[in-house]
Amino acid sequence: NAGVMQNPRHLVRRRGQEARLRCSPMKGHSHVYWYRQLPEEGLKFMVYLQKENIIDESGMPKERFSAEFPKEGPSILRIQQVVRGDSAAYFCASSRLRLAGGGTDTQYFGPGTRLTVL
Amino acid sequence: TQLLEQSPQFLSIQEGENLTVYCNSSSVFSSLQWYRQEPGEGPVLLVTVVTGGEVKKLKRLTFQFGDARKDSSLHITAAQPGDTGLYLCAGYFGNEKLTFGTGTRLTIIP
Repeated sequence: NAGVMQNPRHLVRRRGQEARLRCSPMKGHSHVYWYRQLPEEGLKFMVYLQKENIIDESGMPKERFSAEFPKEGPSILRIQQVVRGDSAAYFCASSRLRLAGGGTDTQYFGPGTRLTVL
Repeated sequence: TQLLEQSPQFLSIQEGENLTVYCNSSSVFSSLQWYRQEPGEGPVLLVTVVTGGEVKKLKRLTFQFGDARKDSSLHITAAQPGDTGLYLCAGYFGNEKLTFGTGTRLTIIP
């Protein structure tokens, strides 16, 4: 049973270019979460999606960032006009059930995409 | 905004020693999780604690959830080089967002 897949693992972009990060959840999981980790910091929640729906995007920057999880295919985190401050590791996680704390289900994390903006 | 503080931020000890790392919040957790993250990889779940006062053991690792569900500790007995990594606590505060702590970077010296 394959885990959460993310690609690319490493992505280098110049300032002003677009970055597209892909996440394929575990089989049978329909809930996807994106997190960002800056060097030497913990992970920060960005967005929570179900198939074709954004449930919570309270952690997403208001501009340049967008996320989708189409009916078919992987979830995509898109960063337009990247800046140096976008350099970070971006992690995707998936779960089978909608999580509300206190439950027995959990999020499973992918290996991350390391974005470097030159 | 819920904040999770972990201490110490860095810890370097000799193989065979014991250690404890802490996770504290000013808010009550619905549940709390501990993860270990190795360089270049995503976090891997170690344990979930739900009930105040709960203690869980995973081989040489002992996890405790505070009675008031605002704090937690991770104790490692007889540390081994394979325990080296970034230890992250993360909590749910009644919704789907997992809030992560700042992490404890542990190095075990052979």
